[in-house]
Amino acid sequence: EDQVTQSPEALRLQEGESSSLNCSYTVSGLRGLFWYRQDPGKGPEFLFTLYSAGEEKEKERLKATLTKKESFLHITAPKPEDSATYLCAVQEGSARQLTFGSGTQLTVLP
Amino acid sequence: DTGVSQNPRHKITKRGQNVTFRCDPISEHNRLYWYRQTLGQGPEFLTYFQNEAQLEKSRLLSDRFSAERPKGSFSTLEIQRTEQGDSAMYLCASSPGAGNTIYFGEGSWLTVV
Repeated sequence: EDQVTQSPEALRLQEGESSSLNCSYTVSGLRGLFWYRQDPGKGPEFLFTLYSAGEEKEKERLKATLTKKESFLHITAPKPEDSATYLCAVQEGSARQLTFGSGTQLTVLP
Repeated sequence: DTGVSQNPRHKITKRGQNVTFRCDPISEHNRLYWYRQTLGQGPEFLTYFQNEAQLEKSRLLSDRFSAERPKGSFSTLEIQRTEQGDSAMYLCASSPGAGNTIYFGEGSWLTVV
């Protein structure tokens, strides 16, 4: 059965303090790994899709990387508006649905 | 370009009542998904449509839950005889046939009292 584990569960950073969020996964055939941002009371907002080990994608202060067993979301010089829950999800083989982790709640203090 | 639209955004109902949520996907997206999310957890897959065909249902989708997508456009999710454990946010998402990115709506909050 697919398993997606995110760590840490919660992370508090000072503004400008860079860090990384981890997503480890166990699937029999990864079709894609997705990162979403979710603000309180709202639906997940798409950030990135990674398809193969070694792939990297960037958007503003965020950079996502992928290995055969895990993905990292690097946040460089975060700002308070980056505060949100970051969700990782995997899509396996021919399946169309996503399997999500429990998320990392990021708080960036001014 | 409008996103995925869900209605109502909030619903409070008494235990035992039926509720229905509606989802309007992004135009021309032929795949539509329903997920459920509780506090502190990631979304859990419920069911998936390609056009009007319901192709997959999770074991989470008990007999009290039914989803439809007539004519392959909007979709409805009905919960019959609601229970307190049904309280959650119900998320709808859609994706285009040619790509994998799945876009979510803002969700419909259900509180069963």
